[in-house]
Amino acid sequence: EAAVTQSPRNKVTVTGGNVTLSCRQTNSHNYMYWYRQDTGHGLRLIHYSYGAGNLQIGDVPDGYKATRTTQEDFFLLLELASPSQTSLYFCASSDGSGGRDTQYFGPGTRLLVL
Amino acid sequence: GDSVTQTEGQVALSEEDFLTIHCNYSASGYPALFWYVQYPGEGPQFLFRASRDKEKGSSRGFEATYDKGTTSFHLRKASVQESDSAVYYCALGSNSGTYQRFGTGTKLQVVP
Repeated sequence: EAAVTQSPRNKVTVTGGNVTLSCRQTNSHNYMYWYRQDTGHGLRLIHYSYGAGNLQIGDVPDGYKATRTTQEDFFLLLELASPSQTSLYFCASSDGSGGRDTQYFGPGTRLLVL
Repeated sequence: GDSVTQTEGQVALSEEDFLTIHCNYSASGYPALFWYVQYPGEGPQFLFRASRDKEKGSSRGFEATYDKGTTSFHLRKASVQESDSAVYYCALGSNSGTYQRFGTGTKLQVVP
């Protein structure tokens, strides 16, 4: 069973604050993804990566940066957090082709921006 | 661009009822289609997929058939249980093959 962990599980910050969300997968998957989940919008792709040092832009990238430091680790950075970024964030990974293979999700990080 | 539409935001059923959750897609070619399920407090988890016309995917009593003609991949279950209460997501694999695009989700509530 693929294992994806996220930290922190909950985070509160203020407007303009700096936040880093972490994701680690231990199955040597090539692809990793960051999503945000909001009522009425479902899961929306922020950024993704197909290997260390690679970064691809998703559907809602504004206000977010990401970095893939190793095969295992993928970070999402909010450098000037805004209340509109209050959301539930999920990381996922998949082996092989991310568009045709199963994605394995972490437990999520709930972010509140005051 | 590619898109997935789930028309039901919420569905309420009684145990042993028949379930249908509609999923329609817009894309060229034959994208892979997926269903994921998300239980409260957890991340989504893979249910099953299909990648060619008329292929049926199934798992845990749920099933869906890839229909290129109607561009649909509707989720069905003959007899739901309270434990099936969850949010169900339909997803489409991108033509580039590098990511999936998810629908807005359907919350299923099953009462005993």
